[in-house]
Amino acid sequence: KAGVTQTPRYLIKTRGQQVTLSCSPISGHRSVSWYQQTPGQGLQFLFEYFSETQRNKGNFPGRFSGRQFSNSRSEMNVSTLELGDSALYLCASSPSSGRQETQYFGPGTRLLVL
Amino acid sequence: GQSLEQPSEVTAVEGAIVQINCTYQTSGFYGLSWYQQHDGGAPTFLSYNGLDGLEETGRFSSFLSRSDSYGYLLLQELQMKDSASYFCAVRGRDDKIIFGKGTRLHILP
Repeated sequence: KAGVTQTPRYLIKTRGQQVTLSCSPISGHRSVSWYQQTPGQGLQFLFEYFSETQRNKGNFPGRFSGRQFSNSRSEMNVSTLELGDSALYLCASSPSSGRQETQYFGPGTRLLVL
Repeated sequence: GQSLEQPSEVTAVEGAIVQINCTYQTSGFYGLSWYQQHDGGAPTFLSYNGLDGLEETGRFSSFLSRSDSYGYLLLQELQMKDSASYFCAVRGRDDKIIFGKGTRLHILP
């Protein structure tokens, strides 16, 4: 099976712009989670989607949003970008949303905000 | 609040054994997971402990004590390719997944 794919892999934006990142989960996986990874804060949970519904959301401002499509693919959007949004954004999928489910991570999208 | 504490860095010698500790404070607890991340790579799953005790997978073992809110990852017969960052993670009662800030493992030849 193909792994989790994320596009684009690298992105440079300027403050105030918006960005949309895409994630395609492993075939058959219905749960998709998003994380922000920075050197100072580590891996921080953004949100989790299951069957097109947001199951959970981390402590991020409303500028961060996401959605999941019927084919389980997911997108996240960050509006009005700030310098502090520069990070590696990781997507992870799992077969379901069970508490013991292993997360399978994609390679990430590295976002640089200038 | 919810938090996980793990050492920021650990150094060990090739061929030796190293233990990476993780203590957690969460409202509710549904198991402790460990992930490995090489520089420039994605985190990959190593092990999961839902119950107290030791889980062994090849050279890697993981231990959990729920009464002590403590777990560890044990790596045996260290190889240079084990140089990476290791994260512990828990899912709390609110179902949000929390990761520790990671332990950077340095291996000396």
